[in-house]
Amino acid sequence: AQSVTQLGSHVSVSEGALVLLRCNYSSSVPPYLFWYVQYPNQGLQLLLKYTSAATLVKGINGFEAEFKKSETSFHLTKPSAHMSDAAEYFCAVSDRYAGGTSYGKLTFGQGTILTVHP
Amino acid sequence: GAVVSQHPSRVICKSGTSVKIECRSLDFQATTMFWYRQFPKQSLMLMATSNEGSKATYEQGVEKDKFLINHASLTLSTLTVTSAHPEDSSFYICSARPGWMNTEAFFGQGTRLTVV
Repeated sequence: AQSVTQLGSHVSVSEGALVLLRCNYSSSVPPYLFWYVQYPNQGLQLLLKYTSAATLVKGINGFEAEFKKSETSFHLTKPSAHMSDAAEYFCAVSDRYAGGTSYGKLTFGQGTILTVHP
Repeated sequence: GAVVSQHPSRVICKSGTSVKIECRSLDFQATTMFWYRQFPKQSLMLMATSNEGSKATYEQGVEKDKFLINHASLTLSTLTVTSAHPEDSSFYICSARPGWMNTEAFFGQGTRLTVV
C-alpha cells in the first residue's frame, strides 16, 4: 500500500522568503508523485507532477520539486514566497499504469497550510 | 482544456433527504472518475472509483448503498447521498481521468454539503 507523509501541518514564511514543504512517500515501486494546491472551498489545482522523467520538476507559479528516490522524498520549494501563495498544499502519490481500472487513484498526504506574512 | 465541472458548489439539505452531485468532464472523455471526501481541516479520502458503464468500486468503509455512484456516460458521473444525516456534511470532490494511459486526473471545484 502506498502512503504519503507531509511533515508540518502548518508552515509560515515571510513574503520573499524561501518556501519548503516536505513530502515523503512509501511505495513498493516508484510511483507517480504530485503536488496540488487548494484554496478555501475550492477544488485542487495541480502544481506539478513527477512521472519518471527528470527528477527536478518545475511547475506553475514558480514552484518546483525534486524526486529523491534514496530519500523517498518529493519536497516542494519556491525561492520567493508571494502573498498569493497562501493556501493548503497536498502531496499525492498514485500507481503507475498497471492495466488496472484504478489507475489515476490518488493517495493524499495530510496537507500543509502555508501562511505568508508581509 | 481538461476542465471538470462539479455541480452544485454548495447545497444544504434536511436530514433524511437525498442529494445528487454531478461531475462532468467538459472537453474530454473520462473513462474513470474518482470521488473524494474531505472533512474540515483534513485531507482528501477516496470514496470510490467510477468506470463508465460498470459498477463503481468503493473503498473500504464506504457504504455503497448510502453513496450511490452512477457513471452512465463518458462525460458524467453522479454521486447521490441517500438519506443524508448531519455526519454526512463534508466537502465532496470529484476528479476525472482522460483515457487509459494519462498520468493525471483533473479535479472539479468541489461541493460543500451541509445536512441540517
